[in-house]
Amino acid sequence: DAGVIQSPRHEVTEMGQEVTLRCKPISGHNSLFWYRQTMMRGLELLIYFNNNVPIDDSGMPEDRFSAKMPNASFSTLKIQPSEPRDSAVYFCASSLAPRVAGNTDTQYFGPGTRLTVL
Amino acid sequence: KNQVEQSPQSLIILEGKNCTLQCNYTVSPFSNLRWYKQDTGRGPVSLTIMTFSENTKSNGRYTATLDADTKQSSLHITASQLSDSASYICVVSGRAGNMLTFGGGTRLMVKP
Repeated sequence: DAGVIQSPRHEVTEMGQEVTLRCKPISGHNSLFWYRQTMMRGLELLIYFNNNVPIDDSGMPEDRFSAKMPNASFSTLKIQPSEPRDSAVYFCASSLAPRVAGNTDTQYFGPGTRLTVL
Repeated sequence: KNQVEQSPQSLIILEGKNCTLQCNYTVSPFSNLRWYKQDTGRGPVSLTIMTFSENTKSNGRYTATLDADTKQSSLHITASQLSDSASYICVVSGRAGNMLTFGGGTRLMVKP
């Protein structure tokens, strides 16, 4: 298996533009997670899906952020409009676990998308 | 408020030496604690996962300990190698809801 695949690896855009990040989880995994990592705030869980359904989006910073999972092999994280403070590395991860609370399944992370908003 | 505090923030050691990283948490009710290794420019990779009933778990030269009473965990690295240079992140999962609380990480540099 190729692992979790994310694209693009790097994205540079101007403030106000729409940004779409893409993720392909490991085949057969039930759960998919979107994270954001910055120097100031570290790693933060934004949203997670189980069986393509959003379970918890309490980490999504504001309405400019949205995520979808139209099928088991694809998810997007969209920022519209983007702002300079959205600059970060965005990770996608997947696991076999049906939920976050109490599970001990390993989450496998993708290589991340480094987003720079000018 | 649920928090995970890691120390030290950064650490420099010589190749071949041992080191111990600390993680203190206030997450309650507790479910499990994970240690991740993150190389520069890469995604985190899971090292260990420990539940309430586990006191120690090893993964090669990495040994994690957990004291659920004092809410402390440590990650011990034996005979460090240059490839151990990375950030190490402690993540605590609660039993309620979908809560994950992340530590700020310890940045380890192993020098020859």
